[in-house]
Amino acid sequence: AQKVTQAQTEISVVEKEDVTLDCVYETRDTTYYLFWYKQPPSGELVFLIRRNSFDEQNEISGRYSWNFQKSTSSFNFTITASQVVDSAVYFCALSDYTSYGKLTFGQGTILTVHP
Amino acid sequence: DGGITQSPKYLFRKEGQNVTLSCEQNLNHDAMYWYRQDPGQGLRLIYYSQIVNDFQKGDIAEGYSVSREKKESFPLTVTSAQKNPTAFYLCASRTGTGTYEQYFGPGTRLTVT
Repeated sequence: AQKVTQAQTEISVVEKEDVTLDCVYETRDTTYYLFWYKQPPSGELVFLIRRNSFDEQNEISGRYSWNFQKSTSSFNFTITASQVVDSAVYFCALSDYTSYGKLTFGQGTILTVHP
Repeated sequence: DGGITQSPKYLFRKEGQNVTLSCEQNLNHDAMYWYRQDPGQGLRLIYYSQIVNDFQKGDIAEGYSVSREKKESFPLTVTSAQKNPTAFYLCASRTGTGTYEQYFGPGTRLTVT
C-alpha cells in the first residue's frame, strides 16, 4: 500500500524567512510520480509540481525548490524568502504508474507566513 | 476559460436526505475523480472514472454513488447511508495521456444536520 507522511502539521514563519516542508513516502512500485499541491483559503487545490521516480534532479521555480531523494524516500519543498501570499495548506501526493493516476495524499502542512 | 466547476459552493441538508454534488469540466479530460477532505486531514478518494459509463470505487466509497454518462460530467450522490457526510468535497480531472497531474475544482462544502 502507498503512504505519504507530512510530519509537520503546522509551520509558522515571519515573512522573508526560508521554510522547508517535509514529505516522506512509501511505495512498492519502482515507477511512480510525486506531486505537491497548494490549497489557499479558497479551497481549490493548485498544482505546483510533478516529479517521476526516474528523475532525481532537483527543481527550482522562482522562490520554490524541490529536493527529491530516492534513497530516503523524501520529496521536500522549500520556499525561499517566504511571503504572506504563501500562507496555505500544502499537500504532498503520490501516484502509481498506471492509467488510473490515483493520488495518495499526505495529511497536509498548514503554513502561516506573518508580515 | 477551461476549467472544472462545482456547484454549489455551500450545501446544507437534513440527515436522511440524499444529495447530489455537481462536477463539470470543459478540459476534454478523460479521467475524473471525487475526493473528500475532513479538517486536518488529507484528501481521500471516493470514486474515479477513466472513461464514460465506467467508474471504480476508491478508498471510501461506502455511502456514495456516481454516474458518468457524459465525458464532461461526474456527479456524486451522497446517500443517507453515509454515516458522516459533513465534509469538503473536491472534484478533479486528468487527461488520459502524457501528463499525470490532476486539476481540481473549487470544491463543495456539505453540511448535514
